[in-house]
Parts: sequence; C-alpha cells; structure tokens
Amino acid sequence: EAGVAQSPRYKIIEKRQSVAFWCNPISGHATLYWYQQILGQGPKLLIQFQNNGVVDDSQLPKDRFSAERLKGVDSTLKIQPAKLEDSAVYLCASSRTGGPAEQFFGPGTRLTVL
Amino acid sequence: GENVEQHPSTLSVQEGDSAVIKCTYSDSASNYFPWYKQELGKRPQLIIDIRSNVGEKKDQRIAVTLNKTAKHFSLHITETQPEDSAVYFCAATGANNLFFGTGTRLTVIP
Repeated sequence: EAGVAQSPRYKIIEKRQSVAFWCNPISGHATLYWYQQILGQGPKLLIQFQNNGVVDDSQLPKDRFSAERLKGVDSTLKIQPAKLEDSAVYLCASSRTGGPAEQFFGPGTRLTVL
Repeated sequence: GENVEQHPSTLSVQEGDSAVIKCTYSDSASNYFPWYKQELGKRPQLIIDIRSNVGEKKDQRIAVTLNKTAKHFSLHITETQPEDSAVYFCAATGANNLFFGTGTRLTVIP
C-alpha cells in the first residue's frame, strides 16, 4: 500500500509570513495526526482527526496554527504568522483506528523560519 | 497528560554487543507502548510495540519488556549491527494520543 504523503518536503519563510502543509494519509485510515518535531526532540502531537472531526487539539497553538480535514481524507496544517520557534519538522501520521495502534508516518516537511 | 522520560540520550556500542534503552511513564492508564526508529532525515518507523497485558515481546534481535507496577519499559537490541545506528523513540499512549520520549541516539561501532 502507498505510504503517507506530505508536501512540500522543505520550506523556508521569513517570520510573520504564512505557510501551509499538506498530508494525504494511507487509504482507509480514519485517523490522522499532525506532529511537530523540533531538532533533537521527540514528535509532539499538535492535532488528531478522526475522519473529519477533531479528537484532540489541546497542544495546538490556536492563535497561529490551524488545521482542517474537510472530507475526512487529506489534511492541511497552516501557520499564520510564523515565528522563529516554529522551525521544525512537521510530521503527518495516520492509523487505521483511533485507539492504541500503529501510526504510520509521512516523510515530514522541514520548515525553517528566518 | 502523560510524561515519558527516556535514557540514555546517546549510546555507543561495539558491533555484536547488546544495547538497552529505558523509558518511564507517568500515566498509569497508558496501555500501549511502541518503539520507533528514525534514521537521519527519514520518517519514524515502528520497530516493536507492547500492550499493557503483556510483560515481554520479542521479534528476532529486538525485545521489549514492560513493568506496569514500576511504570517503565525497555528496548533490548542484541547482536547489534551498523544498520541499527539511528535515533530510537519510545512512546506511551492512553486512549488516543502518543507521547514520545526525547530519543536515544544509538551508534554501533564496526
């Protein structure tokens, strides 16, 4: 089966600019996750979707980050405006169910904010 | 929320030796404990996982042990090979979310 797809792979922006990332999960996976991985740290969950509904967005900085999964398949994550501390790899993952189960990760988008 | 601590942060072993990475968690309700391997510039990939109703699980050279009472779990890699060199993350989850440790950079010296 095809893996989780993400684009772009790399993005460089100036602070206060906006940026958007796209993710297409594995076909049939109901649950989609966005993680932020800062260099040298483990991934930190930003938001979890079950189909097109939000399950958990408690760690999403809602003043600047937003995410949607309108048709329950692919998803976009937006940052507006970006700050220097947003420099990180943004990983998308999907799993077949929402409970404790293997999550399959995409290749990530490396964001650099100058 | 859950808090996962991972030790050591770096580990160097000679090829053929064993490597052990340890993690502790705080939420007694956590019931799923995966281990991910992340090579430089690549995506995390699941290498083994264990659920709270099992104390130990083995897959070829990799094994994971879980002590629910003490709230810690460990990854054991035997007969290490250079291709085992990577960053390893433990994680713990309750109902929905994975909380990751800070990672262990394993270097296997040929």
